[in-house]
Formats: sequence, structure tokens, C-alpha cells
Amino acid sequence: DSGVTQTPKHLITATGQRVTLRCSPRSGDLSVYWYQQSLDQGLQFLIQYYNGEERAKGNILERFSAQQFPDLHSELNLSSLELGDSALYFCASSVGDGSGSNEQFFGPGTRLTVL
Amino acid sequence: AQSVTQLGSHVSVSEGALVLLRCNYSSSVPPYLFWYVQYPNQGLQLLLKYTSAATLVKGINGFEAEFKKSETSFHLTKPSAHMSDAAEYFCAVIRGFYNQGGKLIFGQGTELSVKP
Repeated sequence: DSGVTQTPKHLITATGQRVTLRCSPRSGDLSVYWYQQSLDQGLQFLIQYYNGEERAKGNILERFSAQQFPDLHSELNLSSLELGDSALYFCASSVGDGSGSNEQFFGPGTRLTVL
Repeated sequence: AQSVTQLGSHVSVSEGALVLLRCNYSSSVPPYLFWYVQYPNQGLQLLLKYTSAATLVKGINGFEAEFKKSETSFHLTKPSAHMSDAAEYFCAVIRGFYNQGGKLIFGQGTELSVKP
């Protein structure tokens, strides 16, 4: 158990809908990262928040947004869902701001299925 | 731009045999390199990381990796495979510059099968 929690574990929804994925980092970690894992794209970095502020951005679609709250938990919002958004979404956390070699601890993931 | 290439999407070994999973990186500056393991239906777990302190890095579960700058490689090895090593393995790189965040760039992954 990495100490990173993600809810829900599974999510099944329809095209055009909007969903929210939630992540709670390890106690004491200030950074939260979101990754998408799919068969065709592999593991892709989406976005990072550090202590409430956006720190780094990857190839995140405009339909996707995220935020980190004062208690440091984070939410990833996916809207106007398409079939191709079906994937495993991971949250990770680390102590620092991501620079250096701080290890990122991964949660168990949320499996999103868009029908 | 940084990238990571893992040679071989699937590697199969016999129990007790040497495990060798290959990773080559592309980076214009010295990188931080990681190997993660993903068991079925689970998240990623860090096996080991290279931070320039030593070129031979020992990790958990008997795995180790050697950083070779001249070959831009960071191959993962284990002398004797166990059935429990069957999983997917990911090599990843991060530039780690101050104030530039912690974007991990992953290779495509190598699925390791262990035959009895």
C-alpha cells in the first residue's frame, strides 16, 4: 500500500458525460500528479499540482481539468467524454515539487470505461 | 526532448534464469532514471532509481540496474527469476530541474513472463 488513495476504483459512463476522479496523497506529500494509462498511448503524464498550484502540464486535453484543494487532495475532471478516454487514470504524490529525484508514489488507479 | 525506449515489449524467462530488461534513454542533460513495476490490477511500485550517486543501483526484490552514460542505457537485471516477478516493468526518466515540475516520461513497458 503506497498510501495514495483514489476513488472510485471503477467508473462506467456514457459518451458526452462528465466524471470526477479523486485522489488523496500520502500524508506530508505536497505534490499530486495525474497520469493516464491506455493500450495505445501507454503511460502519459497529464498534470502536476504542488501545494495547490499547477506546476507542470503534459498533453492534457482541454476537456480535462484538475485542481488541488487546501487539504491537498486533488480532483481530475473529465468532460464531454469520448470512447477514447477509456483508460486507467493514476494519481501519484511526492514530498517535493518534482525537481530532483523525489520518488513518486502511485495510487491503485481508477479504471474509466466510456460506453 | 527526453524519451525512453524499452527494447522488447515481452520477455519470457524460466524460473531461476537471469532477467534482463533493456532501457535506453535520450536526454541532453544527466537525467534521473527510474524502474517501476506494475502487477496486474495494481498501481506502479518503484523498484529503484538512479540519482548520479552510484552507477550501479540496487533496488527491491533483488533487482539492480547499471547506468551507462556512454551507452545511454539503464538496463534492469535480476540474477534469478521467481514466479512472483511476472509483471509489467516500466523505465522512466525525469529531468528534475528546479521549479520545472516532476513530469515522469515512461517507456512503453516490458511484460515479463516467468515459466516454471
